[in-house]
Amino acid sequence: QSVLTQPPSASGTPGQRVTISCSGSSSNIGINYVYWYQQLPGAAPKLLITRNNQRPSGVPDRFSGLKSGTSASLAISGLRSEDEADYYCAGWDDSLSGWVFGGGTKLTVL
Amino acid sequence: QVQLQQSGPGLVKPSQTLSLTCAISGDSVSSNRAAWDWIRQSPSRGLEWLGRTYYRSKWHNDYAVSVKSRITINPDTSKNQFSLQLNSVTPEDTAVYYCAREPCSGGSCYSSDNWGQGTLVTVSS
Repeated sequence: QSVLTQPPSASGTPGQRVTISCSGSSSNIGINYVYWYQQLPGAAPKLLITRNNQRPSGVPDRFSGLKSGTSASLAISGLRSEDEADYYCAGWDDSLSGWVFGGGTKLTVL
Repeated sequence: QVQLQQSGPGLVKPSQTLSLTCAISGDSVSSNRAAWDWIRQSPSRGLEWLGRTYYRSKWHNDYAVSVKSRITINPDTSKNQFSLQLNSVTPEDTAVYYCAREPCSGGSCYSSDNWGQGTLVTVSS
């Protein structure tokens, strides 16, 4: 069981806006930053959102992050076929003294 | 541009030691603006952080509770790389293992922004 909770799947049609949720607790998301990764098949995870809502260089502004209390969400607007991937949230957990991840959400572009 | 290149065997026998190395280019294992992590991924356990090493006037290590009794992460400054050793492996340790860099500044570190290519390690006799 992953420390952070995500829905196992999400879907949308091209051009649509989709959101993926991530639920944590007071020892992780509640007091620390949230991060989001995109993982394409056979590849390593790629950092998509850092420190709750900041995009690393090269990440399109179609991707945005939001944090509220012990939960966070990733929004993808103007959905494209190449966005079909697995998405993971992550954060530091003060109780575990380590990085924790969500179980991942498989995004399907219909 | 930071690049991490992993090497090591893809097959380990049960009860033996899993050993992987991560060679760093574009940064230094001794940098005080980074930490160097090992993370694994399997269908049953998902993404699991295993531990890290970093230099802040001296070397430090942090390990995940789940593997703390079996893991060692060592830096090698002469080769600008770091390694993972996981002892007494079982089939449950079968996973894709990644090395990664945590960027750090002002005393805080942030989630990994550079990852190695991944190594599938299978534990089987």
